[in-house]
Amino acid sequence: DTGVSQDPRHKITKRGQNVTFRCDPISEHNRLYWYRQTLGQGPEFLTYFQNEAQLEKSRLLSDRFSAERPKGSFSTLEIQRTEQGDSAMYLCASSLGTGLTSNQPQHFGDGTRLSIL
Amino acid sequence: QKEVEQNSGPLSVPEGAIASLNCTYSDRGSQSFFWYRQYSGKSPELIMSIYSNGDKEDGRFTAQLNKASQYVSLLIRDSQPSDSATYLCAVRGGISSGSARQLTFGSGTQLTVLP
Repeated sequence: DTGVSQDPRHKITKRGQNVTFRCDPISEHNRLYWYRQTLGQGPEFLTYFQNEAQLEKSRLLSDRFSAERPKGSFSTLEIQRTEQGDSAMYLCASSLGTGLTSNQPQHFGDGTRLSIL
Repeated sequence: QKEVEQNSGPLSVPEGAIASLNCTYSDRGSQSFFWYRQYSGKSPELIMSIYSNGDKEDGRFTAQLNKASQYVSLLIRDSQPSDSATYLCAVRGGISSGSARQLTFGSGTQLTVLP
């Protein structure tokens, strides 16, 4: 399987705990994105990496959220001190591209569903 | 006003009919437009992309773009029960909007194809 891979698929944790998700993009893709999706809504952009550089962060990404892509390959998204409102599907996507006008589509992984008790 | 708007539905069509899904967007400088299909509990799956005005056909799917009207649509011909899903319209913003790399999604239209 050469698609975007996310781990774990499901995470249940108690409020206040820290959680970390991993995303492995399609191997030749230099761009990696994190989105969050709640029930009945479309995905909302969280952050974007080009290679190892984090180039954009949404206002949705509070200081409890941190993302890394240390070697320009896989990425991790950590949520500290989780809250009830963090319950959502966290989606990772990847694409090829250079420059602001790249039209390459984003391909999504299966997501990590986070449930906060 | 939401940046990308879709009729939430649900939209029901009989098997074999044409399903028409619509989307409007607010950023006039938007560059590229995508339709994703999402089955319940699954991740979005890209089904169409369109970048210039006019129609683009791929099998049973046709995407239509009208940048002057800031409108993009998806037609599904010969609809099948397996097409029942939520269809998400996604827009890559213009360079001046600050959202040229990310996708902005609508809330999705839930389509049910009745056998």
